[in-house]
Amino acid sequence: AQTVTQSQPEMSVQEAETVTLSCTYDTSESNYYLFWYKQPPSRQMILVIRQEAYKQQNATENRFSVNFQKAAKSFSLKISDSQLGDTAMYFCAKIQGAQKLVFGQGTRLTINP
Amino acid sequence: NAGVTQTPKFQVLKTGQSMTLQCAQDMNHEYMSWYRQDPGMGLRLIHYSVGAGITDQGEVPNGYNVSRSTTEDFPLRLLSAAPSQTSVYFCASSYNSNSPLHFGNGTRLTVT
Repeated sequence: AQTVTQSQPEMSVQEAETVTLSCTYDTSESNYYLFWYKQPPSRQMILVIRQEAYKQQNATENRFSVNFQKAAKSFSLKISDSQLGDTAMYFCAKIQGAQKLVFGQGTRLTINP
Repeated sequence: NAGVTQTPKFQVLKTGQSMTLQCAQDMNHEYMSWYRQDPGMGLRLIHYSVGAGITDQGEVPNGYNVSRSTTEDFPLRLLSAAPSQTSVYFCASSYNSNSPLHFGNGTRLTVT
C-alpha cells in the first residue's frame, strides 16, 4: 500500500515566525496530486493547497507555499508570517486511484502569541 | 450553499446496535467517500463511490455498508456496532477524480 508519512507529530512556533511541516510519500505513478489539509479545533477539514506532480512550479496560496521535490518524494508546507488562527492539525495527503486520498498521520501545529 | 451535510454530529451507541450516518451533497459531485479519523492515524478510507449505483471498498471497510441510490446521498451503515468503531467519521465529495475533496463537518461516534 502506498503511504504518506509526516514525521513531526507536533510543532510549536511564535506568532509571525515561519514554520515548515514535512511530508514524504511513496508512489510508482508519474503523475498524481498532493494536498495539504488543515483541521482546526472545529474539526472541519479545510483544503490549504494542492500540487500537481507534473507541474515543476511549487504551488502558493497567500502565506502558504510548498516545496515539492518529486525525485525525493517530498512535499513540505511552509507557512510564512504565522498567525494564531493557523493553530490546527495539518494533514498531507496524496490521491491514489479514483479519488482515494491517502493521509499522513498529521502534525499538530501551535502558534503561540 | 450547504456543501456536504452530515448527520448526526454526535452519537453514542451500545455494542451490537445498528445505525446509519447520513451524508448529502448539493454540488452534483459524482465522487463521494467515507473516512474515519483515529488519533495518530490520520484519515482512512472506508468506502467510496464514483457515481450513483457504484460503490467500492476502501482501506478499512469491515463492519460498514454503503449504498448510492442517488447522486446526492451516500449513507454509511453500521450493522452491529463494536467499540473498535469509536471514531470521528467524515463524508467527502468531489467533482472528479483529481479534484480536491469537500468534507462534511464530521460525526463523533462512541460505541460503549
